Amino acid sequence: SQQGEEDPQALSIQEGENATMNCSYKTSINNLQWYRQNSGRGLVHLILIRSNEREKHSGRLRVTLDTSKKSSSLLITASRAADTASYFCATVNTGFQKLVFGTGTRLLVSP
Amino acid sequence: SQTIHQWPATLVQPVGSPLSLECTVEGTSNPNLYWYRQAAGRGLQLLFYSVGIGQISSEVPQNLSASRPQDRQFILSSKKLLLSDSGFYLCAWSRTGTSGEQYFGPGTRLTVT
Repeated sequence: SQQGEEDPQALSIQEGENATMNCSYKTSINNLQWYRQNSGRGLVHLILIRSNEREKHSGRLRVTLDTSKKSSSLLITASRAADTASYFCATVNTGFQKLVFGTGTRLLVSP
Repeated sequence: SQTIHQWPATLVQPVGSPLSLECTVEGTSNPNLYWYRQAAGRGLQLLFYSVGIGQISSEVPQNLSASRPQDRQFILSSKKLLLSDSGFYLCAWSRTGTSGEQYFGPGTRLTVT
C-alpha cells in the first residue's frame, strides 16, 4: 500500500525557477526520503531527513519535515532542464527498513 | 563501490508463459534485497524483500514468487504470467542496520501479451 501522497501530481516550470513538491503521510515514521526517477529508469536516492530533524539541505535541494502535520516538502532551487523527472517521497517506519512510496510528482523544466 | 545489475532490460512474454528476472549486487555483503513493481505513471509497490539467503517475505499475494539462492542474488519468478503482471520491475538493495536508503537497479520493462 502507498502511504505518501505527493502534491502536485504534475508541475511545469521554466529553467531558473524554483520547484516545490509536497508529501503527506499517515503513520509515525523513522525517517523520510526523497527519490528521483528519470523516465524508464531506476530510482536515485536524493536526501534523507530523520524524524527529529526539521530541515535539511543538499546542494540545490532543501527538504523540510513537519511531523505534527505528517508532511514534508522538497524544494529544488534554480531548476534546470536536467531536473525533469518524477520525484517520490518514501517513509521508513520503525522496525524493518521497508520504504513506503508516495504516488510521485512529475516535474517538467522547460529551457 | 557497489553496483546493482538487473536483466533483462525489456521482456515481452505471452500469457501463461514462465518468468525469471534476475538481480545481482556487487561490492557489498549481506544486503537487504527488494523487488518492486511500478505500474505506468504510478508509485512503487513492494512485492518481496529478503534479509538473507533463503529468507523471503511477501508483501502482496499474487502470481509471483521470489528466491535468494546466493547472498547477492535475488530472483523474481512466475510459473504462468497474467496480463496484469505487465509493468516495470525494479530491484533494490540496502545496507543492513542503516536508515534504509535503498539503491535501485535499472529496471525491467515486462509486457505480457
